[in-house]
Amino acid sequence: GAVVSQHPSWVICKSGTSVKIECRSLDFQATTMFWYRQFPKQSLMLMATSNEGSKATYEQGVEKDKFLINHASLTLSTLTVTSAHPEDSSFYICSARSAGGRYNEQFFGPGTRLTVL
Amino acid sequence: AQSVTQLDSQVPVFEEAPVELRCNYSSSVSVYLFWYVQYPNQGLQLLLKYLSGSTLVESINGFEAEFNKSQTSFHLRKPSVHISDTAEYFCAVEGGSEKLVFGKGTKLTVNP
Repeated sequence: GAVVSQHPSWVICKSGTSVKIECRSLDFQATTMFWYRQFPKQSLMLMATSNEGSKATYEQGVEKDKFLINHASLTLSTLTVTSAHPEDSSFYICSARSAGGRYNEQFFGPGTRLTVL
Repeated sequence: AQSVTQLDSQVPVFEEAPVELRCNYSSSVSVYLFWYVQYPNQGLQLLLKYLSGSTLVESINGFEAEFNKSQTSFHLRKPSVHISDTAEYFCAVEGGSEKLVFGKGTKLTVNP
């Protein structure tokens, strides 16, 4: 099956710094990528949807200026958490889907655990 | 809008026992339904999905789920579980917007 990687797998940063998380589709072109956030013992919450070459669409309640998403190529999307604070600590998971929309499976990355001190 | 309810947050079972993880959904449009499995500190892996056709779908490792439109359910079953099935299981629904809506998950623990 298709492979999606995330880097880094875990990161610890100080409050006020920015952190960038990369999501790559390794063996297919991802026209759409999704970013999720998962709190401990809770479900995944969709943060935003990004299509290659266009601005991301954020879900209600997600601060677009805090969570910057870039989908510059068909194999790479990045999530930047700006001025991170302890409440931003979470498990961030991306997924990628090839052209064909909902008829094609979303493939998930392994996740990035962010800890803000 | 869609929503998913997983009725059990934790399900402990003994090895080789049968298991059922329950999932109910709410939607005003036709949906696609999914079960994902998540092992500790890992991302999600697709276990099985219902898109159309036969209401009974199966995975390669012995799980099956049945889409019941009248009861708006998509329960996951396995007749005999293994220790290696211990994981978190998420039910998800997609209602035409290409967005997956997840349930809160069910932690399956298989004990020897």
